[in-house]
Amino acid sequence: EVQLVQSGAEVKKPGESLKISCKGSGYSFTSYWIGWVRQMPGKGLEWMGIIYPGDSDTRYSPSFQGQVTISADKSISTAYLQWSSLKASDTAMYYCARRSGVPPYFDPWGQGTLVTVSS
Amino acid sequence: EIVLTQSPGTLSLSPGERATLSCRASQSVSSSYLAWYQQKPGQAPRLLIYGASSRATGIPDRFSGSGSGTDFTLTISRLEPEDFAVYYCQQYGSSMYTFGQGTKLEIK
Repeated sequence: EVQLVQSGAEVKKPGESLKISCKGSGYSFTSYWIGWVRQMPGKGLEWMGIIYPGDSDTRYSPSFQGQVTISADKSISTAYLQWSSLKASDTAMYYCARRSGVPPYFDPWGQGTLVTVSS
Repeated sequence: EIVLTQSPGTLSLSPGERATLSCRASQSVSSSYLAWYQQKPGQAPRLLIYGASSRATGIPDRFSGSGSGTDFTLTISRLEPEDFAVYYCQQYGSSMYTFGQGTKLEIK
């Protein structure tokens, strides 16, 4: 079974750093792009960026470029989303999802990681 | 950047009724690159339709997708209680992915 399992909920203070993870299993991790999607409280889905673990090719949405860093460690089939200095506005649920080949869609999705940033 | 606009924002229907959800793109989208997702409260989104009209594995045939160019539609032929949720369309183009703002399907 193809599965993405994300790290647990985090509570952080503004200015702190954070790295959350997404571990893939049941498929060749290096052969599929992994995307990250933000969902702010009560709001819709926003695509943040995507990485190809095979060669770490990474693309960012212009809205998130420079705000977050996406990386992957193919030796442990894990993708990451990290912040160097969190803001209260980063409070959201973050999902990872595997991108298919062509046509490009996201399936499956991880269970989500809730990040709360509060002083 | 292609903007997807979904309508209506909220749709109030009863079980057994037919639901028609719209997704309009600001520029033409390849039909192959249009997908629909369902999200229930407290859950991750789930893929329903890809390539504008192909159902994902395990999706009941009461769900169907259609459209081309800038206008796409998700139809649920006869609503079941478990279908009340939020639905998002998503497109891919120029190495970018965008989602519509969502349509909430609620019980009338």
